[in-house]
Amino acid sequence: GAGVSQTPSNKVTEKGKYVELRCDPISGHTALYWYRQSLGQGPEFLIYFQGTGAADDSGLPNDRFFAVRPEGSVSTLKIQRTERGDSAVYLCASSKGTGNTEAFFGQGTRLTVV
Amino acid sequence: LAKTTQPISMDSYEGQEVNITCSHNNIATNDYITWYQQFPSQGPRFIIQGYKTKVTNEVASLFIPADRKSSTLSLPRVSLSDTAVYYCLVGDLRPSTLTFGKGTMLLVSP
Repeated sequence: GAGVSQTPSNKVTEKGKYVELRCDPISGHTALYWYRQSLGQGPEFLIYFQGTGAADDSGLPNDRFFAVRPEGSVSTLKIQRTERGDSAVYLCASSKGTGNTEAFFGQGTRLTVV
Repeated sequence: LAKTTQPISMDSYEGQEVNITCSHNNIATNDYITWYQQFPSQGPRFIIQGYKTKVTNEVASLFIPADRKSSTLSLPRVSLSDTAVYYCLVGDLRPSTLTFGKGTMLLVSP
């Protein structure tokens, strides 16, 4: 595609519910990243995929957060038992491969947990 | 991980050159310096990346002194549309080492 696409653009959910956030990377990009950005802060690294595998998930805050990329393209970030502190903008980015830090970001999904 | 320090905010006027300096005293030998720009309600956008000396592209220049303990992003002749947050990142190109700080909020006025 022309750019990284994230859906939905906005998501409001109740505390305790499960949510899925989707990311469609740029076609041909093997590396995919998830970040989380709170108001007034810079993006915070969550997880990085190289192909289908999670190469680095050191940024996931706890085991309520999980991400998959089963076919090496689209990725889904899954959050279980959401908490109000999970409210943030979740950003997805992709790049051509390992070591290429020109990452292309999507518009993000604004998650609000009420 | 190398920590970066940059001004919280800067003000400028249209047509001026803007220089944003970032300090990274603990930069490691394998670390590169990367700058991103972020507009409200958008994801960050890559501007420029360098290792040493000077790098220039169609958008900006990046000046890195010999000791690499700081770097300066230079935006020539800014316009209103350059109003954004600018992030300085230092890392060895592994995604988990590229840490975004709070960035510098640049406000360009008419």
